[in-house]
Amino acid sequence: EMQLVQSGAEVKKPGESLKISCKGSGYRFTSDWIGWVRQMPGKGLECMGFIHLGGSETRYSPSLQGRATISADKSINTVYLQWNILKVSDTAIYYCAGADGSGKGFDYWGQGTLVTVSS
Amino acid sequence: DIQMTQSPSSLSASVGDRVTITCRAGQSISKNLNWYQQIVGKAPKLLIYAASSLQSGVPSRFSGSGSGTDFTLTISSLQPEDFATYYCQQSYSTLWTFGQGTKVEVK
Repeated sequence: EMQLVQSGAEVKKPGESLKISCKGSGYRFTSDWIGWVRQMPGKGLECMGFIHLGGSETRYSPSLQGRATISADKSINTVYLQWNILKVSDTAIYYCAGADGSGKGFDYWGQGTLVTVSS
Repeated sequence: DIQMTQSPSSLSASVGDRVTITCRAGQSISKNLNWYQQIVGKAPKLLIYAASSLQSGVPSRFSGSGSGTDFTLTISSLQPEDFATYYCQQSYSTLWTFGQGTKVEVK
C-alpha cells in the first residue's frame, strides 16, 4: 500500500522561510511523480508542481512564479516544498499526492500540512 | 494552462437522488480526465480516472463519461456519505489543473 505522511502544521511570519516534508513508503514511490496541491482557505485545489524521484525532474505551475521550490531526498524517500520568503497569501493547506505518470490521477495522498502565515 | 469549468458550483439533493455534475475543458483533452471527492477536513480521494474507469474500492454508484471537452460524473443513488465537494482534473497537459469544485449539499 502506498502511503504519504506529511510534516505537522506550521505558523510563520511574513518574510520567514519554511520547508515542509512528505515521506513516502510503498513499492511505487521511487518510480512515481509526487505532486504538491494547494488549498487556500475555503477554496479549491491547485496543482503547484511535481517531482519525479527516479530522475529528480521537476515541473512547476506558472502561478507559482518561482516563489516555492520542490526537492527530494531519495535516500529517505522524502519530498519537500520550500519557501525562502513567505507571504500572508501562502496561508493554505498543502497536500502531497502520488501518481504513476500514466495520467490516471493522484491515487494516493498525504494528510495535508496547514501553513499559516500571519504577522 | 488548460482551464477546467465545472457546473453547477453547488447543488442540493436528498439521499437516493441521482446526481450529475459536468466538467468542461478549455481544449480537447481526449479522455485524460479524473474525478475526486473531498469530504470536509480530509484529503481528496480519487473516484474515477481516464474519464470512465472506476478507481479500486470506489462504489459502483459512481460513474463517469465523456471525451474531448465535455465530461460527466454521475452518482446513481446518493448516499449520506456522498455529501462532499467533487473536483474534476485534467491530466492531458504537463501541468495538471482542477475544476473549481461542485459542493453537494443536503436538501
